[in-house]
Amino acid sequence: DGGITQSPKYLFRKEGQNVTLSCEQNLNHDAMYWYRQDPGQGLRLIYYSQIVNDFQKGDIAEGYSVSREKKESFPLTVTSAQKNPTAFYLCASGAGTDLVQPQHFGDGTRLSIL
Amino acid sequence: GENVEQHPSTLSVQEGDSAVIKCTYSDSASNYFPWYKQELGKRPQLIIDIRSNVGEKKDQRIAVTLNKTAKHFSLHITETQPEDSAVYLCAASRRGSSASKIIFGSGTRLSIRP
Repeated sequence: DGGITQSPKYLFRKEGQNVTLSCEQNLNHDAMYWYRQDPGQGLRLIYYSQIVNDFQKGDIAEGYSVSREKKESFPLTVTSAQKNPTAFYLCASGAGTDLVQPQHFGDGTRLSIL
Repeated sequence: GENVEQHPSTLSVQEGDSAVIKCTYSDSASNYFPWYKQELGKRPQLIIDIRSNVGEKKDQRIAVTLNKTAKHFSLHITETQPEDSAVYLCAASRRGSSASKIIFGSGTRLSIRP
């Protein structure tokens, strides 16, 4: 069953702590994306990667970091520099690097502050 | 920068009536326009998309129209049913290389009144 798996579903962060959100896909897609969703603000792009070992900042990259060591995996780290991390985080993948292709989303991770 | 404006932010219609959601984009080079349906706490799922070489596309009760001159596209849902209640997200993207990305609208929360 092909798809995108995000874990954990819920995550709590303490003050000053870094946390990592996992995203794995078995769709053989080249491109992967991380979005943040806040109420009433749609989806905002944090980082994206079109190929292994390469990634670009999106519109709200500050306080976040990513890696793309394998085609299947694109983990997102929310660092302590991100002062307002409470949000719903969505990972997505796409088959085409020219982006004239639909994106497939994971089920999301809801991050909250303790 | 590039942006996509989506209206209205909330929409309530009587069951059986039609619903229309409109998005306006700023990047005239955009050539792919997907629509996603997102139920509460779930992943966005692609419901219909349109490319810039066509003006309209239909799939049963759902249709999307594109006006490239005015740079806007709309989602039309006819004979609405309770299961149509969700947040609808529009997006626009264009061919490119390292700058390729999809821009999402802020979402419309559609409620169907029984």
